[in-house]
Amino acid sequence: NAGVTQTPKFQVLKTGQSMTLQCAQDMNHNSMYWYRQDPGMGLRLIYYSASEGTTDKGEVPNGYNVSRLNKREFSLRLESAAPSQTSVYFCASSEYPALTEAFFGQGTRLTVV
Amino acid sequence: ILNVEQSPQSLHVQEGDSTNFTCSFPSSNFYALHWYRWETAKSPEALFVMTLNGDEKKKGRISATLNTKEGYSYLYIKGSQPEDSATYLCAPGGDSNYQLIWGAGTKLIIKP
Repeated sequence: NAGVTQTPKFQVLKTGQSMTLQCAQDMNHNSMYWYRQDPGMGLRLIYYSASEGTTDKGEVPNGYNVSRLNKREFSLRLESAAPSQTSVYFCASSEYPALTEAFFGQGTRLTVV
Repeated sequence: ILNVEQSPQSLHVQEGDSTNFTCSFPSSNFYALHWYRWETAKSPEALFVMTLNGDEKKKGRISATLNTKEGYSYLYIKGSQPEDSATYLCAPGGDSNYQLIWGAGTKLIIKP
C-alpha cells in the first residue's frame, strides 16, 4: 500500500550541481504533479503531467525540467541548482486534474548552499 | 491565476471547543474546491473534494460547506481534539488547465 513514493527525503547540493528527484505512484493515476512549498506560502506547482506522455509548466517552472517516464513515474530535475531552489518538494498524483483528490509523497527537503 | 485566501492564518482553540475557518477564492471559472489536512512532518491528506454550489460534506467531526457564487468555503471542526492540530489547506481548481491553486493554510493548535 505504498501510494506515492518520493526519493530522496533529504538532499544538500552546492550551487551549480544537478540532481533528479524521483517519484512513483502505484494507484494507476493519470495525473502527476511536482510542487514546492516555501514558508508562509501555499504549495506552488512547478510542472505537471495531466496524462502519460504529456507535461506542462506550472506556476514556477524556471530552473526545472521533468520527465513522465511512464504512467507510474514522474521525475523532476534541477540542472544547475541555485540557493533560491532551497525548498521542500512534493510529488503528488490524482486520477484526474482538479476533480479528484491528490495523494502526496512524503516530501524532499532540499538545501542549496 | 486565482487568488486564494485562507483566514485566519493561525488559530488556538481549547480542547473540546468547536471552530471554523474560511477559504475565499474568485468565483469565476470554478471547477472544484479541495480541503486537505497537513500534520507536521507528514504530507497533506485530502479531507474533501467539493464541486457543487451548496455542497456540504462531513467526515466524523469535520465538515465543510461551499458557496461558489460568492466564492467561499467554510471548514468546521466540532469538539476539537489534540489530534486535530494541523495546517488545513484549501485549493480551488479553476485555472485554464484545471490545476489546483493552493492557499497558505490555517494552522490550528488545540490546547489541552
